[in-house]
Amino acid sequence: DTGVSQDPRHKITKRGQNVTFRCDPISEHNRLYWYRQTLGQGPEFLTYFQNEAQLEKSRLLSDRFSAERPKGSFSTLEIQRTEQGDSAMYLCASRDSLFDYGYTFGSGTRLTVV
Amino acid sequence: DAKTTQPPSMDCAEGRAANLPCNHSTISGNEYVYWYRQIHSQGPQYIIHGLKNNETNEMASLIITEDRKSSTLILPHATLRDTAVYYCIVRVGMNRDDKIIFGKGTRLHILP
Repeated sequence: DTGVSQDPRHKITKRGQNVTFRCDPISEHNRLYWYRQTLGQGPEFLTYFQNEAQLEKSRLLSDRFSAERPKGSFSTLEIQRTEQGDSAMYLCASRDSLFDYGYTFGSGTRLTVV
Repeated sequence: DAKTTQPPSMDCAEGRAANLPCNHSTISGNEYVYWYRQIHSQGPQYIIHGLKNNETNEMASLIITEDRKSSTLILPHATLRDTAVYYCIVRVGMNRDDKIIFGKGTRLHILP
């Protein structure tokens, strides 16, 4: 297992288009998190899952955003009708809830909306 | 909002110890102090965490004051690869209050 994988690494899309990102967590990790990071800011929490259940969503996650983790393994984050303000780095992290060690983050997907 | 205060930036000479301070004056008795760092174009990386005792691992040492209102992350022999943004975070451990709230962190520049 090589850690948390995110795909794609970069995405350029036109305003109004839909985009979907994928996150593959560390296989034995039951918790999966999505964060968004804009330039010069720390990552902002969006949502997290325990197995396939979405346990918390930030109010940052507008109704244009939807996240799924259908089989408790990989997760997808979809943004519908993208806006320029959605341009950011989208980070995924995972951890095993049995252990209170640090989260493992992926390298992120950088979204640019033009 | 983040519960910690960190200087926005710091410089340290290569080979010297880098001491990164963090204030968390409102920390609760059941909250841990965590440190992460983020190297350019990568996701944050866990460094260390502690409750009230000082902690050391292969990456760093964490010194927490007796009143727990502040802490210092120490990188004993900084290298150029330690140039990153360092985040100090407080959170309740063991599954409660599960999400991490990041502040802006400290941008550490290691100078050759």
